[in-house]
Amino acid sequence: DQQVKQNSPSLSVQEGRISILNCDYTNSMFDYFLWYKKYPAEGPTFLISISSIKDKNEDGRFTVFLNKSAKHLSLHIVPSQPGDSAVYFCAASEGAAGNKLTFGGGTRVLVKP
Amino acid sequence: GAVVSQHPSWVICKSGTSVKIECRSLDFQATTMFWYRQFPKQSLMLMATSNEGSKATYEQGVEKDKFLINHASLTLSTLTVTSAHPEDSSFYICSAYGTGGNHGYTFGSGTRLTVV
Repeated sequence: DQQVKQNSPSLSVQEGRISILNCDYTNSMFDYFLWYKKYPAEGPTFLISISSIKDKNEDGRFTVFLNKSAKHLSLHIVPSQPGDSAVYFCAASEGAAGNKLTFGGGTRVLVKP
Repeated sequence: GAVVSQHPSWVICKSGTSVKIECRSLDFQATTMFWYRQFPKQSLMLMATSNEGSKATYEQGVEKDKFLINHASLTLSTLTVTSAHPEDSSFYICSAYGTGGNHGYTFGSGTRLTVV
């Protein structure tokens, strides 16, 4: 049973516009959420995270929103750039820092020039 | 920033042989190491979690005698795929969680294993 789901396998967006990636989870014990960017044959690169005590975290072009009641989080990238084209994974963990991460299935983003 | 070095980046081996993959945290102490595998166009699936000096904790369905994990120091963890079979061909990624500074979960660059 997938505890973290990314229901959109792919997303295409024009350069300069906003990219919105969604992630849903079922485990109510998850309290820390992360977004990673990944290129083929490389390890994931950390983008941004959010703790369950917050509902929004912003870092430059990246903003993560958390809706605990809906068990839903989203990543906004604005403005989108061609270099943002990659696969994006959301991940979640529960309990103490350093516990294992559970990953979603990923969303492939293509930013068109 | 935190860096995890993973080697080799790719390896081809014959069926029945063993392959060792290394992960080193270069500028921080990794109290916990995680090993994942990723099949093409799929998510990262956690295989096992290891803490320095302790036995690894394997996820359900992962054969501990086939995927040997050693975490002998705070900067080095190894994954050995024993008696490799073609179905073990995959992309293996390590992740280190460390303390001190701004270190969260740092991933290695991955190892592409092809068993022929």
